[in-house]
Amino acid sequence: AQSVAQPEDQVNVAEGNPLTVKCTYSVSGNPYLFWYVQYPNRGLQFLLKYITGDNLVKGSYGFEAEFNKSQTSFHLKKPSALVSDSALYFCAVRDVTGGGNKLTFGTGTQLKVEL
Amino acid sequence: DAGVIQSPRHEVTEMGQEVTLRCKPISGHNSLFWYRQTMMRGLELLIYFNNNVPIDDSGMPEDRFSAKMPNASFSTLKIQPSEPRDSAVYFCASRPTRPGELFFGEGSRLTVL
Repeated sequence: AQSVAQPEDQVNVAEGNPLTVKCTYSVSGNPYLFWYVQYPNRGLQFLLKYITGDNLVKGSYGFEAEFNKSQTSFHLKKPSALVSDSALYFCAVRDVTGGGNKLTFGTGTQLKVEL
Repeated sequence: DAGVIQSPRHEVTEMGQEVTLRCKPISGHNSLFWYRQTMMRGLELLIYFNNNVPIDDSGMPEDRFSAKMPNASFSTLKIQPSEPRDSAVYFCASRPTRPGELFFGEGSRLTVL
């Protein structure tokens, strides 16, 4: 089965500093990878996706992610963090096991940006 | 675009009662997903539909859970009878035809006492 792993439950960063939220994947075939953000008491919001093409994917709110095939990683990055970026971040992979087409999510990483 | 609409946003009920959660997907989207989110288990896919047909219900916990999609604009998730361990936030999401991202509703927070 396809899966993603988010090794950090929480990431703390100071406002203005760069941030990285890590994700590694395990898939058979070409990976379709996604990042979502969830603010308290809200649904998940799509940030960006990698399907094919450039390894550096740009998304919403100044976020970007780098696809690295050799390291099977898809880390989320932002050059300068804002307090308002504090939220729960999920990595996801398209899972076509059994002929289906669904998204399997990681366990989530809580990002805390402090002044 | 109104987005995915879920109701109720909050539901508090007593053990043994029937619970029905409702979802209206984005118009034109042909796939619909029900997820459950808890602190212990994270985000779990319960069931999903393509063109109103259930494709994968392997995540449905047990026979107390059932889901229907009678038409392209409406789906329900029913729990009967409900138990305290069903307490969670239930999300509905829809996806257009292309194999891309999901669009999530705001969720229904269920508390079973």
